[in-house]
Amino acid sequence: GESVGLHLPTLSVQEGDNSIINCAYSNSASDYFIWYKQESGKGPQFIIDIRSNMDKRQGQRVTVLLNKTVKHLSLQIAATQPGDSAVYFCAEGGTFQKLVFGTGTRLLVSP
Amino acid sequence: KAGVTQTPRYLIKTRGQQVTLSCSPISGHRSVSWYQQTPGQGLQFLFEYFSETQRNKGNFPGRFSGRQFSNSRSEMNVSTLELGDSALYLCASSLGRNEKLFFGSGTQLSVL
Repeated sequence: GESVGLHLPTLSVQEGDNSIINCAYSNSASDYFIWYKQESGKGPQFIIDIRSNMDKRQGQRVTVLLNKTVKHLSLQIAATQPGDSAVYFCAEGGTFQKLVFGTGTRLLVSP
Repeated sequence: KAGVTQTPRYLIKTRGQQVTLSCSPISGHRSVSWYQQTPGQGLQFLFEYFSETQRNKGNFPGRFSGRQFSNSRSEMNVSTLELGDSALYLCASSLGRNEKLFFGSGTQLSVL
C-alpha cells in the first residue's frame, strides 16, 4: 500500500547550520510532494512543494530535492534558526487535497 | 485575511456518544479537507469536499461523516465514539483542486 516514511525521527542542529530532512515514499504514481512544518499547538504549515516532473525546487532558505529513481525526497534548510524548530512532515499525493503524510521528523535547533 | 477556523478547540466525550466538529475555511476557498492526527498513525486523510460534494474519501469507517454547506463551511461528525477516536482533527481549505492546503489549528478530541 501507500506509505511515506522518514529516516530520522529527531534531528538536532546548531543555529546557523544547514539542515537536511529526508523522506522515502513508495507510490511512484504520486504527482505532488509537499513539505509541511508543524509547531506545537498549531496545524501543519505549507513550506514548499515539488511536482513529479521536477528534480529540485528552491524557496526562501529551503530547497526540496526529488529523486524518483530511489523514491526519495529531501528538505534542505539553510542557516537554520531557532524558529525553525518544529516537526516536519513530507506528504505525497495525486492531488494536493488527498495526501499521504510521513511520520514526521522533529528538528531541534540549539542557539 | 482570517485563516481556517475550527471549533471547538478542545472537546471531551465519552464512549458511545457522537460529536460534531466545525470548520470555516479561508474566505473564497471552496475545497475543505479533513485529517485525523494521532501519535500512532500520524496524519491520515478523512475526506474532501468541494462545492458541497464529497470528492474524496479516506479509509475510515462509516461512523465518520461530513458535509459542506453552500458557504463552504464544513462539519464532520463521528458517531458511536470509541477510545481510539481520540485525536487532533484538522481541517484544511484550498482554493480548489491542486491548490495548496491551509490548515487550521485543529480540534483536540478526547474520548473517555
